Amino acid sequence: EAEVAQSPRYKITEKSQAVAFWCDPISGHATLYWYRQILGQGPELLVQFQDESVVDDSQLPKDRFSAERLKGVDSTLKIQPAELGDSAMYLCASSLAAVEQYFGPGTRLTVT
Amino acid sequence: AQSVTQLDSQVPVFEEAPVELRCNYSSSVSVYLFWYVQYPNQGLQLLLKYLSGSTLVKGINGFEAEFNKSQTSFHLRKPSVHISDTAEYFCAVFPGSGNTGKLIFGQGTTLQVKP
Repeated sequence: EAEVAQSPRYKITEKSQAVAFWCDPISGHATLYWYRQILGQGPELLVQFQDESVVDDSQLPKDRFSAERLKGVDSTLKIQPAELGDSAMYLCASSLAAVEQYFGPGTRLTVT
Repeated sequence: AQSVTQLDSQVPVFEEAPVELRCNYSSSVSVYLFWYVQYPNQGLQLLLKYLSGSTLVKGINGFEAEFNKSQTSFHLRKPSVHISDTAEYFCAVFPGSGNTGKLIFGQGTTLQVKP
């Protein structure tokens, strides 16, 4: 069964350092999402791609976060510089039709 | 704008007992409804979904949910829980018109199944 792949699974970084997360969606899924899930809360959408184009990045803190999906397949989410409040689970999801989204295992980020 | 309220942050229950996790939503448009499960340090797995048709939806692992439009609710139920059902459960809504819009999640309910 096809799955969304994410790496790394865990990342510990120091405040003010740069960090990057990678996501490989299910083959053929044109829509890719990045969510942030703070401990004890539900996921919140950071950015949505349709192929290589950004559809929604209204909740992405653009002063420090960036996301790209250059060839419309895999995607990278970057934080620079990381802050203590960025500690969270970062989830990637993909979909063929926008309604049903398939989630990857996530990257647990701890900023010290 | 849509919003989702999960009425219980934690639900403790004994093994083999029935359970209900409550979810209410608010929306000015028709919505699609979902329940996801998340095990510790894992991603979200789809349990079930309501898109249209029968208001009683059956999902994986013996879970089911009932869509109640008049009460804007989508409660999740299981007649007999197992220890392995211990996890975080999230209710989510998606606007039902077209492919635009985004998935809005509730705050989650922790189901704790005790032996």
